[in-house]
Amino acid sequence: GAGVSQSPRYKVAKRGQDVALRCDPISGHVSLFWYQQALGQGPEFLTYFQNEAQLDKSGLPSDRFFAERPEGSVSTLKIQRTQQEDSAVYLCASSWSGPTYTDTQYFGPGTRLTVL
Amino acid sequence: SQQGEEDPQALSIQEGENATMNCSYKTSINNLQWYRQNSGRGLVHLILIRSNEREKHSGRLRVTLDTSKKSSSLLITASRAADTASYFCAKGTSGSRLTFGEGTQLTVNP
Repeated sequence: GAGVSQSPRYKVAKRGQDVALRCDPISGHVSLFWYQQALGQGPEFLTYFQNEAQLDKSGLPSDRFFAERPEGSVSTLKIQRTQQEDSAVYLCASSWSGPTYTDTQYFGPGTRLTVL
Repeated sequence: SQQGEEDPQALSIQEGENATMNCSYKTSINNLQWYRQNSGRGLVHLILIRSNEREKHSGRLRVTLDTSKKSSSLLITASRAADTASYFCAKGTSGSRLTFGEGTQLTVNP
């Protein structure tokens, strides 16, 4: 079956531009997560949705980062006024579980963002 | 900051040998998960071990969990060149998020 898909796979932005990264989770998955992975590091949590509700956004590094999942399926991570330190791979993951238990998360291929 | 520290940071072995990677963590967990990441790709889930389990197997993979020492290990037996990848442990807690370590880069030489 189809896994988690992300688009675009690669994005180059000039400093100061806004970018939007899309995630299509596995159909029927309740939970959706965004992670940021810097080169040579493990992924770091950004935000979490259960259906359309954003239950945890404590990992978002600044108010330039905004995520939404309006219909409880597709999610968009938006970064406004991009900075060079935003360069990273942005990973999306989805799972069946709700907020009381962390189940297996299925990851997409990621979007590699390069800010010049 | 990241929890779930992996050890070693890098490991190079010959094909056919076993590879052992270790992971330590600091606070209580619901489960601990191991993922593999090939260069430039997303993460692939390998094994989830719950806090009340001590050992789990999947094919050539064996994961152990010692909650008293707050540590886990991943053993890959009879390694293959295709096992070359980065391996991450991730701590699962009641808050749903996964907290990853920095990973172990495994190189299996043919």
